[in-house]
Amino acid sequence: DVVLTQSPLSLPVTLGQPASISCRSSQRLVYSDGNTYLNWFHQRPGQSPRRLIYSVSNRDSGVPDRFSGSGSDTDFSLSISRVEAEDVGVYYCMQGTHWPRTFGQGTKLEIK
Amino acid sequence: QVQLQESGPGVVKPSQTLSLTCTVSGGSISSGYYYWSWIRQPAGEGLEWIGHIYSSGRTNYSPSLRSRVNISLDMSKNQFSLKLDSVTAADTAVYYCARAVADREGENYWGQGTLVTVSS
Repeated sequence: DVVLTQSPLSLPVTLGQPASISCRSSQRLVYSDGNTYLNWFHQRPGQSPRRLIYSVSNRDSGVPDRFSGSGSDTDFSLSISRVEAEDVGVYYCMQGTHWPRTFGQGTKLEIK
Repeated sequence: QVQLQESGPGVVKPSQTLSLTCTVSGGSISSGYYYWSWIRQPAGEGLEWIGHIYSSGRTNYSPSLRSRVNISLDMSKNQFSLKLDSVTAADTAVYYCARAVADREGENYWGQGTLVTVSS
């Protein structure tokens, strides 16, 4: 299985400051169709996960533009330009290129 | 807006079969081309993708669970279901049903999740 390694696992951030989460894959995530299927989810405490970003950098409808995704091959990142209180929770990367689908272990963002 | 709701027993005895149903509202599971998925999350841990069923009925399962899992559609009830055989304590988790538009882009609609505890 593809292993996705996120860092850091814990991310204390001051409100209004930027934040970044890394996701590294044990295998290249470029699929045979040329697309790279690395997706990001956010899970608030006590809630279901919500997809934020799909295929590296495509924001879902309703996701604030302070969220952005980037990367290629095996190295990816999720960036938040200015953290707001509602951004707390756990962020997961997930790859859809290889079977089975796998998730990173999660990064917990908290407000300092 | 499509909504998904899991239902089923909250406690299952070891060695028995875990059975969950996901009821879909706000859209028909027989229309469109969607992937209907099950994902689970042990308490305090990360997410594990179990498998999905396409609108055509084709399924894909995680290799680690393939020998014990079955996902099916019930078009007449607008539901899809998960069955997991021979459960152990390691299967204790919150189980989510979800929907994906595209196979590889992740699930963009999720149920609220249901806790299933394996215990005698």
